[in-house]
Amino acid sequence: AQTVTQSQPEMSVQEAETVTLSCTYDTSESNYYLFWYKQPPSRQMILVIRQEAYKQQNATENRFSVNFQKAAKSFSLKISDSQLGDTAMYFCAFMKHGSNYQLIWGAGTKLIIKP
Amino acid sequence: AAGVIQSPRHLIKEKRETATLKCYPIPRHDTVYWYQQGPGQDPQFLISFYEKMQSDKGSIPDRFSAQQFSDYHSELNMSSLELGDSALYFCASSFRGVKDYGYTFGSGTRLTVV
Repeated sequence: AQTVTQSQPEMSVQEAETVTLSCTYDTSESNYYLFWYKQPPSRQMILVIRQEAYKQQNATENRFSVNFQKAAKSFSLKISDSQLGDTAMYFCAFMKHGSNYQLIWGAGTKLIIKP
Repeated sequence: AAGVIQSPRHLIKEKRETATLKCYPIPRHDTVYWYQQGPGQDPQFLISFYEKMQSDKGSIPDRFSAQQFSDYHSELNMSSLELGDSALYFCASSFRGVKDYGYTFGSGTRLTVV
């Protein structure tokens, strides 16, 4: 069975700083997908970035980028030039290719951006 | 762009009552997923439907049932409600014909059982 681990329950940084959220996962699969979701206080679940395991290039979406280390089963999220609106819970999630597309979630990291 | 619509946004029920949550997927999406998120917890997968047939089942209690209708909207029916059912219930949708993994979530229904 797959598991996802987020070892940082809470992080706090100053506005405009760079912050990295960690995520590790355990799977025997070779083809899968990884995601970072953001859940602000409004509780809306928002997709931040996705990574396909067969792609070696790290995904990037504006200020958000990932460091995907397949051999180490690590999938960290880097937020550059952090903004107050980045304050949220961040969930790392795993999806097995060819499965019924069920997401397996980490416990989440609460990120607080301070002015 | 149209998003996943969930109704109601908030629902308060008493113990042992029933509740029905509705989900309207993005147009042309053929798959609907239901997740339950308790306070301070990560989402837990309940059930999913593909082309109106149940495709996967997670930790859904026997007191709950769900279906997907011909217009692809889905309803989650919850009976004999318990205090522990208080949670945020998310619906998400996707289209399996396109490899657009990372499906779109609705805003959720916050259920409070008192």
